[in-house]
Amino acid sequence: GAGVSQSPSNKVTEKGKDVELRCDPISGHTALYWYRQSLGQGLEFLIYFQGNSAPDKSGLPSDRFSAERTGGSVSTLTIQRTQQEDSAVYLCASSLVGSIETQYFGPGTRLLVL
Amino acid sequence: SQQGEEDPQALSIQEGENATMNCSYKTSINNLQWYRQNSGRGLVHLILIRSNEREKHSGRLRVTLDTSKKSSSLLITASRAADTASYFCASLETSGSRLTFGEGTQLTVNP
Repeated sequence: GAGVSQSPSNKVTEKGKDVELRCDPISGHTALYWYRQSLGQGLEFLIYFQGNSAPDKSGLPSDRFSAERTGGSVSTLTIQRTQQEDSAVYLCASSLVGSIETQYFGPGTRLLVL
Repeated sequence: SQQGEEDPQALSIQEGENATMNCSYKTSINNLQWYRQNSGRGLVHLILIRSNEREKHSGRLRVTLDTSKKSSSLLITASRAADTASYFCASLETSGSRLTFGEGTQLTVNP
């Protein structure tokens, strides 16, 4: 079946603009994660959705970052008033139950803030 | 913050040689997973080892886990040029609901 998809693949924006990144998880996966990866670095956890539970937002770096998951499926990560330090690859992953199980990653969105 | 630390940060070997990467973590874990990443894009799950397991094999991959030392190793035997990638360990804390990733090891296999 289809894997995790993300859009756009690449996004170039100007400092101060808002951006929205989209993630379509694997159908039937109840858990969805967002990570950020700066150049040459490991993954930084941002936010975790599990079913209808309140999301774990503890990784969001500032109040400019927010995420939604509508209908338990598609998720949107929004970054308001983007800064140059927001430039990174934003990765989405989904899993069947929670992170006890294997996480399946999308190809990522490469964000460049000029 | 990342609790995982991996070494080496970079490893360059010849095709056919074995590659060993190590990972350390700080807290009690439920399981530890290894992922591979090509070209800074999405990660691919390689293998999962649970806290009550000490060793696991999958094809040319061998993973060990030493919970007393809070460390794990990934061995790739008979390496191929196509194994060139970044390899990350990720640990799931027993009290947590999310994975914590290490900084990764960049493996280069020269043909």
